[in-house]
Order: sequence, then C-alpha cells, then structure tokens
Amino acid sequence: GAVVSQHPSWVICKSGTSVKIECRSLDFQATTMFWYRQFPKQSLMLMATSNEGSKATYEQGVEKDKFLINHASLTLSTLTVTSAHPEDSSFYICSAQRYQGARNIQYFGAGTRLSVL
Amino acid sequence: QKEVEQDPGPLSVPEGAIVSLNCTYSNSAFQYFMWYRQYSRKGPELLMYTYSSGNKEDGRFTAQVDKSSKYISLFIRDSQPSDSATYLCAMSALITGGGNKLTFGTGTQLKVEL
Repeated sequence: GAVVSQHPSWVICKSGTSVKIECRSLDFQATTMFWYRQFPKQSLMLMATSNEGSKATYEQGVEKDKFLINHASLTLSTLTVTSAHPEDSSFYICSAQRYQGARNIQYFGAGTRLSVL
Repeated sequence: QKEVEQDPGPLSVPEGAIVSLNCTYSNSAFQYFMWYRQYSRKGPELLMYTYSSGNKEDGRFTAQVDKSSKYISLFIRDSQPSDSATYLCAMSALITGGGNKLTFGTGTQLKVEL
C-alpha cells in the first residue's frame, strides 16, 4: 500500500510554455501533499504544501504565480510551471501524507525531470 | 548554519561491511526522525521512522536517535551492492493540524562494491 504516482516522469518544453505535473495517491486519500524541488546532488527543497480544498502554502522565496498548485481531490494534486524558463529546469518530486499508526508519513512519487530549452 | 547537517560523501565500502550514516541537527523542535533511500532519478523511499531517543531495528537497518546530542544515525549491516543509493535523513517538528513539513539533510551517497 501507500503508492504515489507522479506523471510525467520526464518532460522537455520550450521556454515560455507551461507544464503541468500530476501527483496521485493511488491507494489512500491524502488531504495534504507536498511539492519539492531537487537540484543535482542536492537535497529536497520544499516548495509548497498542498491542502485539499484550500490554497497551497508556499515556502519563502517560491513564486506563487509561477508555480501554480491545485489540490482538487483527496487523491490528486497538480503543479503547473507557468512560462517556464531554463532556470526552472530541475527534478520535481511530490509526496502525499498518510496518517497511520499515530504518525504522519510522507510517501513520495518517482519525480518529474523538467528540461526547459 | 543549516538546520540539518549531513556528510554528502561519497562513501564507498566493500560488500558485507557495516555502514554508518549520520546527521546532526540544531532545531530542538524536531521530534520525528526518518531515513529515506533514494536511487538515482527516483523519489525517496522511507526506510526508518523513529520518534524517541534510542535504537530501532528493522532487518539489516538500525536507526539511532540521541536527542540530547541532536544526532541521529543509520546503520546498515551486511551491506549489499543493491544498497548503493543516496540516503537522506529527514526530520519534522510536532505540529497540530495540516501537514508535517520535513527538513532534509543533503543526503549521503553510498556505493557498496563487490
């Protein structure tokens, strides 16, 4: 159990276009999902916390208008990178939080590699 | 100073060796401690989850937490080539409502050689 699917796994786009990444919890409901960004050989940096039915909470320094997050259901959150530029090229990873055994545990998707030309 | 410090490695060991991975932290509010394993170009996979100080064992893995020293460790016994990956420590504070935000270490790259 506790499977998180992230799609697409790799996307190449032209500068100025928008890209949507989906994160789905396949076998559990997640009221909270998280979006991270990871640069090569660096750790995961939290971008935002996505809450079902409400606005996302963004970390300091993350542009809300550039990284649009929608958590429309208990199993789906989407991240849209708007007007992408080469500096947005990175590895984006989502996680879905599951409450089990009196603990909140984050289960991660496989990540999306974004390359902006 | 980063909230969580972790030696990035790389760490190379022979097959069968005992591996010790460590993290230190500065935020006393951290109450929950995790170790994740991440293979190249994949998402992190949860290995161990601990709350209290002391040891927790699961198969070849042992997680150790020393809250007084703000120090956590992961030991891997009888290491295998399939253990080659990046190991990330992560921790969170006790909060009410919403999600438990994780703060990650930079990750230690481990290579187990035949």
